[in-house]
Amino acid sequence: GAVVSQHPSWVICKSGTSVKIECRSLDFQATTMFWYRQFPKQSLMLMATSNEGSKATYEQGVEKDKFLINHASLTLSTLTVTSAHPEDSSFYICSASRSGVGEQYFGPGTRLTVT
Amino acid sequence: KQEVTQIPAALSVPEGENLVLNCSFTDSAIYNLQWFRQDPGKGLTSLLLIQSSQREQTSGRLNASLDKSSGRSTLYIAASQPGDSATYLCAVIMGQNFVFGPGTRLSVLP
Repeated sequence: GAVVSQHPSWVICKSGTSVKIECRSLDFQATTMFWYRQFPKQSLMLMATSNEGSKATYEQGVEKDKFLINHASLTLSTLTVTSAHPEDSSFYICSASRSGVGEQYFGPGTRLTVT
Repeated sequence: KQEVTQIPAALSVPEGENLVLNCSFTDSAIYNLQWFRQDPGKGLTSLLLIQSSQREQTSGRLNASLDKSSGRSTLYIAASQPGDSATYLCAVIMGQNFVFGPGTRLSVLP
């Protein structure tokens, strides 16, 4: 149980375009979802936290107008990278929580490459 | 602000060795601590979750201990195998937030 999927697993886009990444909780309802970014050989850094039906809370230094997060249902959250640039190339991982406290179930990640 | 460090940053050992990975954190007011494995280009696989009231957890060849007062956790891997090669991350859980360490890259040589 507690499976989280991400789609796509990898994506290549051209600079200036937007790309959407989906995160789904497959067998549970997620009250809270989290988005992380991981640069090569670095650890996961939290980008934002979202609760279903509410606006996302972004970490300091993360541009909310660039990284649009929508958590429209208890099983789906999306991250849209707008006007992507090569420096946005990274591994994006989402996680989902049933209770919001003390537990997170992680997706397999999405590799974004911006050319 | 919670800071998590992991030592060593990288480790290469011959197959069969027992090894210890270390995780340190600055704020002892943690909820839980969790160890993960990450293979190259992949997501996280949960290995062990230690609740703040516990001192250790075991799963197969893995044993994780937690000493909140000293701000330390260790992951012990017995009889290492080439398949154990991966990056090992510890995450300190503060309420709903997970704070990750930088990881230890482990290579087990056949």
